[in-house]
Amino acid sequence: DTAVSQTPKYLVTQMGNDKSIKCEQNLGHDTMYWYKQDSKKFLKIMFSYNNKELIINETVPNRFSPKSPDKAHLNLHINSLELGDSAVYFCASSQGGIPYGYTFGSGTRLTVV
Amino acid sequence: GESVGLHLPTLSVQEGDNSIINCAYSNSASDYFIWYKQESGKGPQFIIDIRSNMDKRQGQRVTVLLNKTVKHLSLQIAATQPGDSAVYFCAENKAGGSEKLVFGKGTKLTVNP
Repeated sequence: DTAVSQTPKYLVTQMGNDKSIKCEQNLGHDTMYWYKQDSKKFLKIMFSYNNKELIINETVPNRFSPKSPDKAHLNLHINSLELGDSAVYFCASSQGGIPYGYTFGSGTRLTVV
Repeated sequence: GESVGLHLPTLSVQEGDNSIINCAYSNSASDYFIWYKQESGKGPQFIIDIRSNMDKRQGQRVTVLLNKTVKHLSLQIAATQPGDSAVYFCAENKAGGSEKLVFGKGTKLTVNP
């Protein structure tokens, strides 16, 4: 069983489109995150949710809207996609704070053409 | 192994040699640090962590050293194997602060057989 699963793994889309990436964790964790990894491999947090509540929003454009229907799911919706949105997006989850475990999904490679 | 410029730092070693990967962290208030390994097409995978009240911690074939005076972390891998080839990241966190990891720029390790 995959602990943190993301779909799709690859997403190619045109500028201006709206797309969603889904994330599910079966670890029973109470906090979920989205990170963005750029072409230079730099990883930066975008959002975190704790029990469906937004905790962190790191000055991400409001074209990005996370949605957490329940604590096991955190989806990322992106409106009006731009070329600069091309990156690998990682979902992660943790329980009881970072030192107690932090698990990443395998990533979604988004390419905007 | 610290990042300068726009390129991902690289380290190339022979199988069986020891590897040392360095990282400079940004926040002097950070008190928890993690090293991650990221293989191609996968998410970051936990290797070893260390709290700021320690200056050294050993795992299986890996050792992390922390120098708080100069805000420097290093990861030592003993008897490096081809399976160790990956991008390595350090990450920092401040307990009691926001539940996010701040990642350093990665180092690409290539192990030659």
